Amino acid sequence: GAVVSQHPSWVICKSGTSVKIECRSLDFQATTMFWYRQFPKQSLMLMATSNEGSKATYEQGVEKDKFLINHASLTLSTLTVTSAHPEDSSFYICSARGPGDTEAFFGQGTRLTVV
Amino acid sequence: DAKTTQPNSMESNEEEPVHLPCNHSTISGTDYIHWYRQLPSQGPEYVIHGLTSNVNNRMASLAIAEDRKSSTLILHRATLRDAAVYYCILMGGMYSGGSNYKLTFGKGTLLTVNP
Repeated sequence: GAVVSQHPSWVICKSGTSVKIECRSLDFQATTMFWYRQFPKQSLMLMATSNEGSKATYEQGVEKDKFLINHASLTLSTLTVTSAHPEDSSFYICSARGPGDTEAFFGQGTRLTVV
Repeated sequence: DAKTTQPNSMESNEEEPVHLPCNHSTISGTDYIHWYRQLPSQGPEYVIHGLTSNVNNRMASLAIAEDRKSSTLILHRATLRDAAVYYCILMGGMYSGGSNYKLTFGKGTLLTVNP
């Protein structure tokens, strides 16, 4: 299957700082990317959907000014957690879908710990 | 969003077949039935998807009821590496419009494989 690379795999940051997570589709053009957050022993929660060159569509309850999503090219999307706080500590996962494809491919996830 | 219902957990023995059920009584005509699985601390992995006909690939088989209101993921010979949370998800094709183009996760089925 297609490969989606997410970086970094884990990150520890201080409260109040910002963290950027990258998601790349390595061998296909991702017209749509999805960002998820997953807390321990819970399912994935969709945060936002982004189409290349367009503004992201955020799910209800997700602060768009706190979780900045950029999908500037067909192979790269970034999620920036701004002014991170300990409650933002979670497992963040990206997913990408190509044009005309129906299945989605996932990155390996990023474990964010805010101290 | 179209909903799916899965058992919270199932148990199997190694080398035996596993049938994971999923109910989706509100499925629309353009919804594909997707299955993904997630191992601990990893991003989800695509397993299989189908629309109306049964599907087979190297990982599993997908049996879809004639009325499409339910489906079953079949692992023909379970191994310890198949222990994961399995998610059954309805997703529309790229041009079907509406919220079903998104990949929204339910709670899934935790599969335990006994040696």
